[in-house]
Amino acid sequence: GIQVEQSPPDLILQEGANSTLRCNFSDSVNNLQWFHQNPWGQLINLFYIPSGTKQNGRLSATTVATERYSLLYISSSQTTDSGVYFCAVGSGNTGKLIFGQGTTLQVKP
Amino acid sequence: NAGVTQTPKFQVLKTGQSMTLQCAQDMNHEYMSWYRQDPGMGLRLIHYSVGAGITDQGEVPNGYNVSRSTTEDFPLRLLSAAPSQTSVYFCASSRTGYTEAFFGQGTRLTVV
Repeated sequence: GIQVEQSPPDLILQEGANSTLRCNFSDSVNNLQWFHQNPWGQLINLFYIPSGTKQNGRLSATTVATERYSLLYISSSQTTDSGVYFCAVGSGNTGKLIFGQGTTLQVKP
Repeated sequence: NAGVTQTPKFQVLKTGQSMTLQCAQDMNHEYMSWYRQDPGMGLRLIHYSVGAGITDQGEVPNGYNVSRSTTEDFPLRLLSAAPSQTSVYFCASSRTGYTEAFFGQGTRLTVV
């Protein structure tokens, strides 16, 4: 099956700093999503981005499907950005998602 | 439009008890799935459904049953709870098999 690797596993930032999270996957995908799991455990949809580039406020994401990676950019980080960021990928037409292990982000005031 | 609703939010079971985790979606999505999340790990797929009457196993199906009698509901049954099933359970739905998935708020299950 498809393998998903996220890096770095942990990240500590000062408020206002920028960061880049990476997601590598081992095979072709037709579904790629980024999620933020907040400290209360909720999974928040950030981006649905099987290819291309999208931006939403301070967050943006780029997926280069031919090279099998995706990047999530967080600019001017805030303490509310803290939590775990997951990349999840899918292929075929089953709705199944394979999750990476996540990147735990801590933003200090 | 509530999205994906899971009940209960918290549950404590004794070893050997059975229970059903409920999942309902009001977006008329065909595809639904159940995942479990263990500490420090990503989510792993338990069972999934591509439409009413159709279900299949995911990565970690042992000890769980599902059925899909309606488009809206996808309950997950624990037949005989074991401590290894202590986890947070998430239900998800999507319009098609490769479009954006939306998750419920999770059910935190403890088996003692």
